Amino acid sequence: SAVISQKPSRDICQRGTSLTIQCQVDSQVTMMFWYRQQPGQSLTLIATANQGSEATYESGFVIDKFPISRPNLTFSTLTVSNMSPEDSSIYLCSVAAYQDTQYFGPGTRLTVL
Amino acid sequence: SQQGEEDPQALSIQEGENATMNCSYKTSINNLQWYRQNSGRGLVHLILIRSNEREKHSGRLRVTLDTSKKSSSLLITASRAADTASYFCATDGFRENQGGKLIFGQGTELSVKP
Repeated sequence: SAVISQKPSRDICQRGTSLTIQCQVDSQVTMMFWYRQQPGQSLTLIATANQGSEATYESGFVIDKFPISRPNLTFSTLTVSNMSPEDSSIYLCSVAAYQDTQYFGPGTRLTVL
Repeated sequence: SQQGEEDPQALSIQEGENATMNCSYKTSINNLQWYRQNSGRGLVHLILIRSNEREKHSGRLRVTLDTSKKSSSLLITASRAADTASYFCATDGFRENQGGKLIFGQGTELSVKP
């Protein structure tokens, strides 16, 4: 299995500011993803983080709001830009590992005031 | 958009009882995965079942898959208070361009009382 860490684990931010979330994996992986979990809801895929090219965003998510970097096969960042209270969520990264199993990081709990 | 519907949305049982959660999905799939989430933390992977499998076991967990009905169930036997959590099913979709993306069900909140 893959071991995934995220930083920060939680943060409280003011509206209008931006937060960058880091995701580190203990082994090289091809596929990395970012998900959002709004309060009391299930997970929704934000984008696929592609190494060496732009991320692929899902419907309803745009690069200006959620810029993503993937500089190598073990690391990715997600930035939540110009935050509003509606961005308060848990943000999780995941990796697709051996035989299609996907593993998730511990999540970043974001509260926007 | 959400692929799966899970029922029940919430389930409360006594320790030692069995808990059954169901998941339905809409499109053809390659595999279906079940996850557990404790108190809004990260997701713990429980089990993956492929479209050509009908049943899979892992410890106290038993997962079934019926592709003709597009449904899956997760059974936890002899439940413990530590099993209290939210449980999600996730499917990968079948189209080649899905590239490993997961679509999650709405989840079942399980409460196991001592």
